[in-house]
Formats: sequence, structure tokens, C-alpha cells
Amino acid sequence: DAGVTQSPTHLIKTRGQHVTLRCSPISGHKSVSWYQQVLGQGPQFIFQYYEKEERGRGNFPDRFSARQFPNYSSELNVNALLLGDSALYLCASSWDRYNEQFFGPGTRLTVL
Amino acid sequence: KQEVTQIPAALSVPEGENLVLNCSFTDSAIYNLQWFRQDPGKGLTSLLLIQSSQREQTSGRLNASLDKSSGRSTLYIAASQPGDSATYLCAAKYNNNDMRFGAGTRLTVKP
Repeated sequence: DAGVTQSPTHLIKTRGQHVTLRCSPISGHKSVSWYQQVLGQGPQFIFQYYEKEERGRGNFPDRFSARQFPNYSSELNVNALLLGDSALYLCASSWDRYNEQFFGPGTRLTVL
Repeated sequence: KQEVTQIPAALSVPEGENLVLNCSFTDSAIYNLQWFRQDPGKGLTSLLLIQSSQREQTSGRLNASLDKSSGRSTLYIAASQPGDSATYLCAAKYNNNDMRFGAGTRLTVKP
């Protein structure tokens, strides 16, 4: 079975631009969570979606938004990019909101 | 405030040694605790999940324990191998769906 997939693998943007990151969960998983990981730190929770509804939100500005589609895939959108948004963005899926989370390989975003 | 701390930040051991990684969390009202392994530049690989009602979980050479009352979890790795070299992260899941990670312990196992 395929694991969690994310696209693109790498992305380079300039300040002020917006970006869309995509995630496909493991088949049968209905929950998707997004995390930001800055070099040398643990991941920070951004959002959790379950059954297409937002179920949790971390301490991130409104420039960050997400959605989940009927097939349970998800998009993370970041507007008005800042240099500090450069990070590895990780997506995780789980069967429901509370079960074991499985992570994708991440999208490396560089903002110049 | 829900904070997770991992000690030590880095650890270097010779092959074959048994070792313990520590994780502490300030808010004991966790739903579960999960241990992960992360190789450089890669995503996270789930190792063990302990529900709040459980005391420990085992998988192969790995054993994780949970003591909610003291806000601690430990990951025990038996007979370490060079392939175990990676960063190990613990994460506490809370009922508000937030998942708090520690900064990780970078493990090096020398042949």
C-alpha cells in the first residue's frame, strides 16, 4: 500500500508570493494534519482536518489556510510568504483524529 | 502551556550498547504519546504509540514506557546498531487535536 504522498518535493518562492502544498493520505485514512518543521527543531502543529472539517489549529497566522477534499486529500496554502516560512512542511494521516499518525516525506519550501 | 522536552539533545554510543531516551511533557492530560524516528532531510517514521491508559509498548528491540503522573516517557533501545543512527522525536497528543513535539535526540551509533 502506498504511504502518505506529498507534492512537490521542493519549492523555491520569493517573499510576498503564495504557495500551495498537496498531500494524499494513506488509503482509508480520513484525517490529515499539517506540520511545519524548522531546521533543528521538532515539527509544529498547523492544522488537523477530519471528514473535511477543520478539527484543530495551531498557533499560526491567518496567512496559513488548508482544506480537505471529498477524497480526503488536502492542500495547505500560505499567502504573503515571509523568509521565516522557509521550512520542511510535513503532512500526516491517520484513520481518525486520535489514532497513530503516519507522515509523508515532506515538502521543502525555501523563501528567498 | 503544553511543552515537550527531550533529553539528551545528542547521544553517541558504541554499537551493541543498550540506551534510554527521555521525553517529558508539562501537561499530563495527554490522549496518547508517539515516538518517531527521522533521518536527515526526511519525513518521520512512526515507531511506537502509547495510549494514555497504557504503561508501555514494545516493538522488536524498542520499548517505550509512559508515566502520565510524572509527565514522562522513555524509549529503550536494546543492542543498538549503526542503522539506528537518526533523530528520535516524541510527540504528545492532546484532546484539542494539537500534537506537541520535542526537539528530538540525535543518536549516533558507532561501529
